[in-house]
Amino acid sequence: DSGVTQTPKHLITATGQRVTLRCSPRSGDLSVYWYQQSLDQGLQFLIQYYNGEERAKGNILERFSAQQFPDLHSELNLSSLELGDSALYFCASSVQGAGDFTGELFFGEGSRLTVL
Amino acid sequence: AQSVAQPEDQVNVAEGNPLTVKCTYSVSGNPYLFWYVQYPNRGLQFLLKYITGDNLVKGSYGFEAEFNKSQTSFHLKKPSALVSDSALYFCAVRDRSNYQLIWGAGTKLIIKP
Repeated sequence: DSGVTQTPKHLITATGQRVTLRCSPRSGDLSVYWYQQSLDQGLQFLIQYYNGEERAKGNILERFSAQQFPDLHSELNLSSLELGDSALYFCASSVQGAGDFTGELFFGEGSRLTVL
Repeated sequence: AQSVAQPEDQVNVAEGNPLTVKCTYSVSGNPYLFWYVQYPNRGLQFLLKYITGDNLVKGSYGFEAEFNKSQTSFHLKKPSALVSDSALYFCAVRDRSNYQLIWGAGTKLIIKP
């Protein structure tokens, strides 16, 4: 058990809809990262938050947004969903934020999104 | 541009035999290199890292990796494979510009009894 909790584990929805994925980081970790894992594109970094502030942005679509709340949990919002958004979405956490990041991430078990 | 390559989509090894999962990188300066493992229906787990020091790094579950600067490689090894080692293995390098991890495509390791 990594200590990172993601909900829901599975989600099935229709094209055009909006969903919210939730992540609680490991106790004491200030950074939260969101990743998308799909069969054809591997593991893609979406966005990182550190102590409530956006720290780094990856290949995140404009239809997607995220935030980190004062209690450090994070939510990833996916809107106007398309078939191609079907993937496994992972949240990870770390103690460090940026230059002090030593590379050890703790991953949740993921939220599997299916868009029909 | 910084990148990581895992040249093998799949590696098959008999139980008890040594295993190697290959990783090469392209990065300017001194790299920070990592290996993660993903078991079926689970999140990724950190295995080991190289930042500086000894070129042979030991990690979890009996795995080790050898940093070779001249060949820009960071291959994952284990002397004797277990069936339970069957999983997806990812190599990663830390991006020097934004400190994020750049991931390889992953290598599926299958250990046959």
